[in-house]
Amino acid sequence: DSGVTQTPKHLITATGQRVTLRCSPRSGDLSVYWYQQSLDQGLQFLIQYYNGEERAKGNILERFSAQQFPDLHSELNLSSLELGDSALYFCASSGGVAGGQGTDTQYFGPGTRLTVL
Amino acid sequence: AQSVTQLGSHVSVSEGALVLLRCNYSSSVPPYLFWYVQYPNQGLQLLLKYTSAATLVKGINGFEAEFKKSETSFHLTKPSAHMSDAAEYFCAVTLNTGGFKTIFGAGTRLFVKA
Repeated sequence: DSGVTQTPKHLITATGQRVTLRCSPRSGDLSVYWYQQSLDQGLQFLIQYYNGEERAKGNILERFSAQQFPDLHSELNLSSLELGDSALYFCASSGGVAGGQGTDTQYFGPGTRLTVL
Repeated sequence: AQSVTQLGSHVSVSEGALVLLRCNYSSSVPPYLFWYVQYPNQGLQLLLKYTSAATLVKGINGFEAEFKKSETSFHLTKPSAHMSDAAEYFCAVTLNTGGFKTIFGAGTRLFVKA
């Protein structure tokens, strides 16, 4: 158990809908990262938040947005869903003291499997 | 552009045999390199990471990796494979962009035969 929790575990929805994925980082971790894992794209970095602020952005679609709240949990919002958005979405957290280090260990949650029908 | 290449999407070894999973990276700055393992229906777990303290890095479960700057490689090895090592392995590089962006290789699925 990494200490990172993600809800829900599974999500099935229809095209055009909007969903919210939730992540609770390990106690004390300030950084949260979101990743998408799909068969055709592999593991893709989406976005990083540090202590409530966006710090790094990857291949995140404009239809997707994220935020980190004062209690450090994070939400990933996916809207206007398409079939191709079906994937496993992972959240990870790291300590990130003083902004963090590139060598910080990221602890991954178990993921949310999103199926868009 | 930064990238990570894992040679071989599938590797099969016999139990007790040497495991060698290959990873090459491209990076214009000193890289932060990682190996992760993913078991079925689970998240990723860190095996080991290169921190520039030593070129030979030892990780969990008997795995180790050697950073070779001249070859831009960070291959993962284990002297003797165990059935429980069957999983997918990802090499990754983290870039400092003001925040930290991690680029993963495509992954190598390791099969261990009895």
